[in-house]
Amino acid sequence: DQQVKQNSPSLSVQEGRISILNCDYTNSMFDYFLWYKKYPAEGPTFLISISSIKDKNEDGRFTVFLNKSAKHLSLHIVPSQPGDSAVYFCAASSGANSKLTFGKGITLSVRP
Amino acid sequence: GAVVSQHPSWVICKSGTSVKIECRSLDFQATTMFWYRQFPKQSLMLMATSNEGSKATYEQGVEKDKFLINHASLTLSTLTVTSAHPEDSSFYICSPAPAGASYEQYFGPGTRLTVT
Repeated sequence: DQQVKQNSPSLSVQEGRISILNCDYTNSMFDYFLWYKKYPAEGPTFLISISSIKDKNEDGRFTVFLNKSAKHLSLHIVPSQPGDSAVYFCAASSGANSKLTFGKGITLSVRP
Repeated sequence: GAVVSQHPSWVICKSGTSVKIECRSLDFQATTMFWYRQFPKQSLMLMATSNEGSKATYEQGVEKDKFLINHASLTLSTLTVTSAHPEDSSFYICSPAPAGASYEQYFGPGTRLTVT
């Protein structure tokens, strides 16, 4: 049973436009959510996170929105750049120093 | 940010042999270590959790006698794949959790294991 779902396997956007990556979860015990960027044969790189007590967190070009009632979060990247092309994983945890539960990832391609 | 190293970055071994993967947190102490693996085009799946000086806790379906975890210090943990088989070929990634309460987790660069 997948507790973190990234239903779209891939997304292609034009450089300069907005990329919106979606993630849904089922476990109401999750209280912290993270986005990671990953290249093949490399470890995930932390991008941005959000606590369940917030509904938005922004860091430069990256903004994460959380809708607790819908158990849905999204990562917005604007403007998108070709260097953003990678696999993006949504992850959730249910406490400090707890394991992370990952979604399957979405492959983002930003076209020049 | 947190710096994590893994060694080796890739390894090829024959069936039946054992392989040891090291994970080091270079600029922080980690009381908890998470070991994940990722099969091609799949998500990262937690294998086990270890606390420094204690036995590891394994996720369902992960054989503790096959994947030996040692977390002897606050900066070093090792994962040994014993009697490796081709189906153990995967990408193994460690994630040391900093001492003290922390929600953010950082990952090592990963180790690509290929068993022939």
